Amino acid sequence: IAGITQAPTSQILAAGRRMTLRCTQDMRHNAMYWYRQDLGLGLRLIHYSNTAGTTGKGEVPDGYSVSRANTDDFPLTLASAVPSQTSVYFCASSAGTSGGTDTQYFGPGTRLTVL
Amino acid sequence: GQNIDQPTEMTATEGAIVQINCTYQTSGFNGLFWYQQHAGEAPTFLSYNVLDGLEEKGRFSSFLSRSKGYSYLLLKELQMKDSASYLCAAMDSNYQLIWGAGTKLIIKP
Repeated sequence: IAGITQAPTSQILAAGRRMTLRCTQDMRHNAMYWYRQDLGLGLRLIHYSNTAGTTGKGEVPDGYSVSRANTDDFPLTLASAVPSQTSVYFCASSAGTSGGTDTQYFGPGTRLTVL
Repeated sequence: GQNIDQPTEMTATEGAIVQINCTYQTSGFNGLFWYQQHAGEAPTFLSYNVLDGLEEKGRFSSFLSRSKGYSYLLLKELQMKDSASYLCAAMDSNYQLIWGAGTKLIIKP
């Protein structure tokens, strides 16, 4: 059992390019999340999905979009990357069965550099 | 606004005890989480408190005071492998986690 996988592990991207970060979980969790982590700041929620077919905006959604076509996959797309989107991106999931207070489990992260 | 405060960095000696404090202000409260994050790795779950008091889990314990908006993580019998960042996160009324910037713990032999 892999848990949560993310791809790619790292990427260097030219500004203005489109990029999709992939996230897949095999735990049959209902809820999934995308965070970014920047030095000196706490994890910040970009988008989330409480169940397949639904998505919501987090604290810093601008410049990012997500989709949740099925339970396992939750891709994050940067339509036109900018240098301020240079960050480490973590995908997470939770069972979503305890009224929202479930533990979140994290993928290994994607280190993205936008030049 | 919503805010989590925790020290940026702490240093402790192998075999000793260290307490990492966290204060929080959130719109509503649905519990306090602690995660461990080794450099270059993903955060991993350590503890969850929603009621006042101390929860003990092996060498790690976590305490919560809801009236004071305060939590701490207590690590006993420190080992070199405990060198990591410790992240405090409070869950707000929308069940979203508000994260602190993390406390980098340095263990010296």
